[in-house]
Formats: sequence, structure tokens, C-alpha cells
Amino acid sequence: QITLKESGPTLVKPTQTLTLTCTFSGFSLSTSGVGVGWIRQPPGKALEWLALIYWDDDKRYSPSLKSRLTITKDTSKNQVVLTMTNMDPVDTATYYCAHRPLGYYDSSGYYYPSYYFDYWGQGTLVTVSS
Amino acid sequence: EIVLTQSPATLSLSPGERATLSCRASQSVSSYLAWYQQKPGQAPRLLIYDASNRATGIPARFSGSGSGTDFTLTISSLEPEDFAVYYCQQRSNWSFGQGTRLEIK
Repeated sequence: QITLKESGPTLVKPTQTLTLTCTFSGFSLSTSGVGVGWIRQPPGKALEWLALIYWDDDKRYSPSLKSRLTITKDTSKNQVVLTMTNMDPVDTATYYCAHRPLGYYDSSGYYYPSYYFDYWGQGTLVTVSS
Repeated sequence: EIVLTQSPATLSLSPGERATLSCRASQSVSSYLAWYQQKPGQAPRLLIYDASNRATGIPARFSGSGSGTDFTLTISSLEPEDFAVYYCQQRSNWSFGQGTRLEIK
């Protein structure tokens, strides 16, 4: 059974750096094809994808936030860490981590990567305020 | 950058009715489109992946179709628990649409 849980501060001050940890179980981030992503959701607003790290340590970032984000993994601890610098009140949101599954091979042997998240953490609300 | 546009923003229907939600991409995303359901205070739940494949445990009343730039999520007969917000997501930059709120009429 795959589970993920986010942890970190509930309140940060403007200009500070946010560090969030995603602790997961039920899969290994050393398994080929697997990834863990971060998504956030401001109160009453839509989902926004932030970052994704793959089993091979390849990383992807939202173009609009790339300069402020860093995603890392600790395979031995089953954790993924997201840091976001220079926090602002507009960054107030619920932050989710989620599992990106490996893709599949069809009968011809063609590999189809997955581009979705099948398991999500419960989310953690981060408020940015002085 | 590919942008997803969902319509309508709000859909008001009654239980038992058919719901049709649309997601349009600004450029082709092939069949790499997913749909999620989110209820208040809960994390999103994967419904459909690769445009038309139901995720594990998702009832058959949910179906997805489309490819390229135009996609549809259909709920054949609404149950009370289906009233929620629905998001589509595409592969290019993993971005989401702005959501469609499905509310009880």
C-alpha cells in the first residue's frame, strides 16, 4: 500500500525559506520509472504543479518558480525534500506530495511513460505571514 | 508552454443526470491527459489517466475520451458523492486546468 505524508512548518515569515519533507512508504524511489512530485493549492484556488524528481535523480521544475525551488531525494530514508526560497504571502497554500508511477510496455514493446499522480499525501497548509 | 482550459467553470446538475466536462489544451498533448476529483478538505483523487483509462477502483460511470487538444470527462449518471471539483492535467509541464465545479442543482 502506497502512502505519502508531508511535513514541515505551518507558518513562515516573508523572505524566509520553506523546507517541506515528503515521507513515503510502499514503493522505492530507486525503482526505474518512479517519481515523486510536489503540487500546491492556495485556499479556494486551483492546483499548481511545482516540481518532480525521478528515480534517476532527474528533476523538473515549474518554469514560473524554477529559480526558487530545489527538490532532492534520500532514497535510504524514503523521503523527498522541497525547498522554496524567498517566501511571500501569495505562497500561502496547501502543499501536496504525490507518487508518479512507472509507465507500461505495450504488446509491441513500446514504453509509455506515465504523466499523472496516482497517490497523494493529505497535504500540509503553509501560511506565509509576518 | 501548454495551457489547459476547462469548461464550464461551474456545472449545475441533479443526481441521475449526465455530466460532460471539457478540457482543451493550447497545443497537442497526444493522449497524455489525466482527470482528478477533489472534494472539500481532501487531496485530489486520480480518476482517469492517458485520456481514457480508469484508475483503480473508479466506478464505470466515469469515462474519459479525446486526444490531441480536446478532452472530455463524462459521468453517465450522477451520484450524490460525485459533486466536487474536477481538474485535468497534462504531460508537457505537468500543469493543471483551472477546474470545473460540479454542484447540485
